[in-house]
Amino acid sequence: AQRVTQPEKLLSVFKGAPVELKCNYSYSGSPELFWYVQYSRQRLQLLLRHISRESIKGFTADLNKGETSFHLKKPFAQEEDSAMYYCALRGNYGQNFVFGPGTRLSVLP
Amino acid sequence: ETGVTQSPTHLIKTRGQQVTLRCSSQSGHNTVSWYQQALGQGPQFIFQYYREEENGRGNFPPRFSGLQFPNYSSELNVNALELDDSALYLCASSSGEFVSYEQYFGPGTRLTVT
Repeated sequence: AQRVTQPEKLLSVFKGAPVELKCNYSYSGSPELFWYVQYSRQRLQLLLRHISRESIKGFTADLNKGETSFHLKKPFAQEEDSAMYYCALRGNYGQNFVFGPGTRLSVLP
Repeated sequence: ETGVTQSPTHLIKTRGQQVTLRCSSQSGHNTVSWYQQALGQGPQFIFQYYREEENGRGNFPPRFSGLQFPNYSSELNVNALELDDSALYLCASSSGEFVSYEQYFGPGTRLTVT
C-alpha cells in the first residue's frame, strides 16, 4: 500500500535556526517524491521534487531509498517559511497521488 | 492566464442528499484531479480526468463520480452524502495524461454535511 507519514503535526523553530521536516513513505516500486507548501491564505503549491535535486527558497530534500525517507531541510529558517508543508508521492504509473498529513512549521522571531 | 477556480466556496447539505461541485481548469490545461481534505489531514486523491475520461482513481466508493467537459472544466458529484463527507474539496489542473506534480490547485469548496 502507498502511504506517506509525517510524524510532526507542528514544528516550531526560531528564526535563523536549522529546520528539518520529516517524511517517510511506503511504496513497493520507485515513487517520485514531492514537497508541497501552503502559505497562509494561499493555495497549495509545489515546493520541490526529488528528481530535480534543486534548492528552492533555500530548502532541499534528499531521497533516501534505504530509509524510505524524504526529509525537507533548510539551514537557516526565516519567518516567511511559516506554512503548512505536505510530503507527497506519485506512483510508477502516475495514476495516483498520495499526500501525507502535513506539518505546520512556525518560525518564531 | 486565469487560475483554477472552484464553485461554490461553501456548501451545507443534509445526509443522504446529493451534491455537485465545479472546477474550471487553468487555461491550457487538459487534466483535472479532485482531492478530499478532511480537517487536519492531507489531501486524498479521489480521481483524475483527462480529455473527458476518468483515467485514475483513489480509494473512494462509486458514489463519488465526475465529469469533464470539452472545455476541460469538471464536476465532482457525490451521492447519498454521509457525515464523513464533510471536508474541503480541492481540484487541481495540469497538462498531460497522468497526475502531474505541476498541478495547480484551486481554493477549494468547503462541504459540510449535517
